[in-house]
Amino acid sequence: SQELEQSPQSLIVQEGKNLTINCTSSKTLYGLYWYKQKYGEGLIFLMMLQKGGEEKSHEKITAKLDEKKQQSSLHITASQPSHAGIYLCGAVHSGGSNYKLTFGKGTLLTVNP
Amino acid sequence: NAGVTQTPKFQVLKTGQSMTLQCAQDMNHEYMSWYRQDPGMGLRLIHYSVGAGITDQGEVPNGYNVSRSTTEDFPLRLLSAAPSQTSVYFCASRQGDQPQHFGDGTRLSIL
Repeated sequence: SQELEQSPQSLIVQEGKNLTINCTSSKTLYGLYWYKQKYGEGLIFLMMLQKGGEEKSHEKITAKLDEKKQQSSLHITASQPSHAGIYLCGAVHSGGSNYKLTFGKGTLLTVNP
Repeated sequence: NAGVTQTPKFQVLKTGQSMTLQCAQDMNHEYMSWYRQDPGMGLRLIHYSVGAGITDQGEVPNGYNVSRSTTEDFPLRLLSAAPSQTSVYFCASRQGDQPQHFGDGTRLSIL
């Protein structure tokens, strides 16, 4: 979706390093969802954010939604090879159909041992 | 629970052939959708449905038809397959604001 921009498109990090992936919307978000996908496999739900300023964590992954609800970041601390994959942000935008969930182009993460 | 089930997992078609990709969910979700995934393009929404009898177009609807006669099923039809429709197709379902559940995908090649 052109309404959602992810950056960077790809990222290569050394094991143990921290990293951040960003997702920016041109419109106010009603809800923001982060998914992970291993190559050739299905999508795994990571986290959902709905409130401005909201922050959620699971193991070494933290996701935040800014106060204006137009940008989200996904931060991985002390990356491991198991974190490698494609990270996708998906969003439901305010003012439109609350059922229409569109995605960014994804960020390909490689973690070198 | 089986969740979201897609069939087939793999399919090869010739240009001009027709085909239906099946999708079924057993979670009584209102919302179902179809996406295609191409390298570097993320997931693009093809069609979605907010309930039985109600469907709407997504970002890339051309060349695809859908129908939603029951809550459980949401088939995607290719009436005349084209090489540009070679892709991985994902079906998904969701209830309200809850996270979307995805099927395992269908890899479709059109020669």
